[in-house]
Amino acid sequence: EPEVTQTPSHQVTQMGQEVILRCVPISNHLYFYWYRQILGQKVEFLVSFYNNEISEKSEIFDDQFSVERPDGSNFTLKIRSTKLEDSAMYFCASRLGTVRYEQYFGPGTRLTVT
Amino acid sequence: GQQLNQSPQSMFIQEGEDVSMNCTSSSIFNTWLWYKQDPGEGPVLLIALYKAGELTSNGRLTAQFGITRKDSFLNISASIPSDVGIYFCAGPSDAGGTSYGKLTFGQGTILTVHP
Repeated sequence: EPEVTQTPSHQVTQMGQEVILRCVPISNHLYFYWYRQILGQKVEFLVSFYNNEISEKSEIFDDQFSVERPDGSNFTLKIRSTKLEDSAMYFCASRLGTVRYEQYFGPGTRLTVT
Repeated sequence: GQQLNQSPQSMFIQEGEDVSMNCTSSSIFNTWLWYKQDPGEGPVLLIALYKAGELTSNGRLTAQFGITRKDSFLNISASIPSDVGIYFCAGPSDAGGTSYGKLTFGQGTILTVHP
């Protein structure tokens, strides 16, 4: 069964460093998302991406964040200058099309900023 | 923004018992999704509901889309140890009719099953 994959599973970085989190969505899906989950809290929306552009973003997704779909399979989230409060699980999700809203999540990347 | 409230926050049950949890909103949702999350893993989709009053099953799990469209319920029958985890409800947020499907999540119900 097709699934969303994410790499790395765990990333440790120092404050101020740039990180790139990678995702491979399900191949025929058209909508892509990043969410984050701070330890013990609920899952929060960051950004949605459709037709090669950002379609919606939350107030968390400030100028330090960017997303890219550099080729037909990868979908990346870049944090330019990490802060301590960026420490969280980051989940990529994908959705097939416009009619149904089911999103399928990857296993996540645990980002630890020290 | 839209918020989803789940109850109870946590449940401690014996193996074999049935479980019931719910999710409520102050605003209408046109779709309800139920996810399960194991520790350190991503949410796994359990059930999707699209129609008010709809009742959908997935094995021992049954979910219902409330008639008011402001709530949804998830029931687990004859619980087993592997049912342990956090159960989240989620719904797509429609902003003025334009929706790219961003999901709003509830805060989760933590389920513990004692053997």
